[in-house]
Formats: sequence, C-alpha cells, structure tokens
Amino acid sequence: DAKTTQPPSMDCAEGRAANLPCNHSTISGNEYVYWYRQIHSQGPQYIIHGLKNNETNEMASLIITEDRKSSTLILPHATLRDTAVYYCIVRVFGGGADGLTFGKGTHLIIQP
Amino acid sequence: NAGVTQTPKFRILKIGQSMTLQCTQDMNHNYMYWYRQDPGMGLKLIYYSVGAGITDKGEVPNGYNVSRSTTEDFPLRLELAAPSQTSVYFCASSYSGGGVTDTQYFGPGTRLTVL
Repeated sequence: DAKTTQPPSMDCAEGRAANLPCNHSTISGNEYVYWYRQIHSQGPQYIIHGLKNNETNEMASLIITEDRKSSTLILPHATLRDTAVYYCIVRVFGGGADGLTFGKGTHLIIQP
Repeated sequence: NAGVTQTPKFRILKIGQSMTLQCTQDMNHNYMYWYRQDPGMGLKLIYYSVGAGITDKGEVPNGYNVSRSTTEDFPLRLELAAPSQTSVYFCASSYSGGGVTDTQYFGPGTRLTVL
C-alpha cells in the first residue's frame, strides 16, 4: 500500500467546513483512498472512499486531485462530535485480508 | 445488529499470566482482524482470518495466538503476558467478495495493562 502524509493536528470552528488534506504521491492506479476516523477511545469508523472521482455521502465529501497524488476530506458543517483523529489510508479495493495500514493521522479539534 | 463486540472492556494482568480476548461479529463477515494500538500511535495488525479455520500473521504477531472455528468468533490468546503487550486491542470484521466495499467495522476495544 502507498504511504500517506497528513498534518498531525488541525483546528476548525464549529459550524464551519473542516478540510483535511492527505498526500499520497506514490499511489498506484488500482489503489483507492479511504478515510477512517477514531473518536477518543473508540474503535475506528469508516467515513468514505474513492478512486479518482469526487465522492460524497452523508458524513463527508472526498476530493481527489486529477493526478491522484493528494486528496481532501471535507466535513461540511463540523460539530464538536467531529473532534477525532482522522486517518487517510491508501489500498487496493478489496485488497485482501492484510488489514489496514494506519499512520498517526490528523487530530482534528473542533472549537466551540 | 450488535456489530462487533469485544470482551472484556478492561483487564489488568500480571507478568506471565495468560488470557483470551473475545471478539464476535453478527454481520456474517468472512474477514476478521485483530489490531493493537499503543498510546499516540496508529493501529497495527496482529492477526487476521479470511474464514473459519484460516488465520494468518499480521505485522506484530509475536506473543499472540488466534483461532477461528466459526464465522462469528475470533478470539485472541495472550500467552505469558509481558509489559510490552500493554495496549488497546481492537477487533474488526469486513466482507470481501463480489466487488463489495471491504469496509472494516471495529469493535469498542479492550484496554489491557500488564504489570
């Protein structure tokens, strides 16, 4: 799986959009970008994934650059409950049972 | 659905003791995983299973054993506990096959301290 780089921490005001960047310059053509988050002391939670087109679901939007070397996770109206560590993971879709490779992620703090 | 459940939630062990961490999923997922998370770090894969009777090592398997006799259960065994095994342990499951998204669903974790 390709390596990812994320800022260690970010702040965002409640009600504003939170934009979390991720660099994955060595991504391969068949690798997807996945985002998970981990709210304090809980198990990680799946957010969204994408290959090359922008994706949106009820939780977030994912914007992937045309060259696929970076992406941005957008939480459109951040709430205090969105305070968590966000992990950007690159892997082949249905990439086998070898688990997810978690880095240190970005600690997003939503300020009231 | 209860999803992925883990027991116990907390446990303190003495050095050299053994224990089994339980994990059960009710989503009929074929893949199951055990991860550990040390303070301030990401998760690391210990063992995984692609189906009943089939297990394989992950990144950090030393000091652990697993078995999978049913689709639902995937217990993790710690033999001769050491302080280095103090961590939070997460079990996860996913369905893989037929092009379905292999989203992993995680349990709430077991916090283990070895003294």
